[in-house]
Amino acid sequence: DQQVKQNSPSLSVQEGRISILNCDYTNSMFDYFLWYKKYPAEGPTFLISISSIKDKNEDGRFTVFLNKSAKHLSLHIVPSQPGDSAVYFCAASKSGSGNTGKLIFGQGTTLQVKP
Amino acid sequence: EAEVAQSPRYKITEKSQAVAFWCDPISGHATLYWYRQILGQGPELLVQFQDESVVDDSQLPKDRFSAERLKGVDSTLKIQPAELGDSAMYLCASSPRGLHGTQYFGPGTRLLVL
Repeated sequence: DQQVKQNSPSLSVQEGRISILNCDYTNSMFDYFLWYKKYPAEGPTFLISISSIKDKNEDGRFTVFLNKSAKHLSLHIVPSQPGDSAVYFCAASKSGSGNTGKLIFGQGTTLQVKP
Repeated sequence: EAEVAQSPRYKITEKSQAVAFWCDPISGHATLYWYRQILGQGPELLVQFQDESVVDDSQLPKDRFSAERLKGVDSTLKIQPAELGDSAMYLCASSPRGLHGTQYFGPGTRLLVL
């Protein structure tokens, strides 16, 4: 069963506009969420994270929103730039004793930012 | 900036052959992970080490895959014999001491089994 889902395989936006990438999860025990960006033939690069005690975290052009009741998180990129074109993965993990902290990844969303 | 190192970057092999991948985590990172990413999917954890001990290998196909981190620093992932379905990107990641937190990935090894 897919515990972390990114239902949009691809997204295309114009340079300067907002990009919104969505992620849903099913396991209510997840309490730490991350977004990674991946270019072809490279490993994923950490972008931003959020703990379940928060509902928003911001880092420059990137903001992650967490809606625990809906089991939904989103990544906003404002303004979008052509260099943001990549595959974006959301990931979730469980903390606390007895948990290893392993990341469960979604399938990824390919973002294309057009000049 | 410290990075996770992996080699080789690319590997082509024939089925039934043995292959090995190497990973050197960021210095001081106690936790090391091996993931497999199939095209069009997200990475999936194969094995997780805390220092030299295996923490999670529940998704590692142990009949053909093995992993070791003998001195708690670098690690080797081996496949013997390789099968066509093993073609994928093999990613290594590390994180600082403690089992929870951000994981930093290496560039990966792209494996093609013919």
